Amino acid sequence: QKEVEQNSGPLSVPEGAIASLNCTYSDRVSQSFFWYRQYSGKSPELIMSIYSNGDKEDGRFTAQLNKASQYVSLLIRDSQPSDSATYLCAAGGGADGLTFGKGTHLIIQP
Amino acid sequence: SQTIHQWPATLVQPVGSPLSLECTVEGTSNPNLYWYRQAAGRGLQLLFYSVGIGQISSEVPQNLSASRPQDRQFILSSKKLLLSDSGFYLCAWNIPGNTIYFGEGSWLTVV
Repeated sequence: QKEVEQNSGPLSVPEGAIASLNCTYSDRVSQSFFWYRQYSGKSPELIMSIYSNGDKEDGRFTAQLNKASQYVSLLIRDSQPSDSATYLCAAGGGADGLTFGKGTHLIIQP
Repeated sequence: SQTIHQWPATLVQPVGSPLSLECTVEGTSNPNLYWYRQAAGRGLQLLFYSVGIGQISSEVPQNLSASRPQDRQFILSSKKLLLSDSGFYLCAWNIPGNTIYFGEGSWLTVV
């Protein structure tokens, strides 16, 4: 069974610091990896996608993928209060969609 | 650009009543379509996916069914709701192999 594991948190980070979110996945054939942000009561929105080993940067966000370790991470630099949300890690690539983790609740302290 | 709409946004239904949630996608052809459910304290659970008209795959045994009568329309149904059907239902779409995009979601409370 495909699984994506995340620490549920809450993860509390001071404003301006770096927030580090991690996840591991079980299905070695997964080719696509995603980070979604979900505000309370809202649907998930895409933050980053990553398909190959290494780092991918987009503004304040950096996604890291290590397929050998089956590990994906998201770094948020210069964290802002508006970054407070639940972050969902997802893995997949086939027609059956993505497998999601339960999410990490991130709190940015002003 | 592509957009996805689902409705209704919220509904409160008694146990044993029927359910119909509808989703449409605009601006793309032959998308993969998905229904996910997010229950309190749990992650996103894939309920159904469809790769084409009339083609439905179910991920988990349940009290729900799905249909895809048109290329960009996806419907989630139940004949008799259970309390355990309560949750946040999300329709989603993608082009195969690419990012999945979600609709606004439908909050269902079964009472």
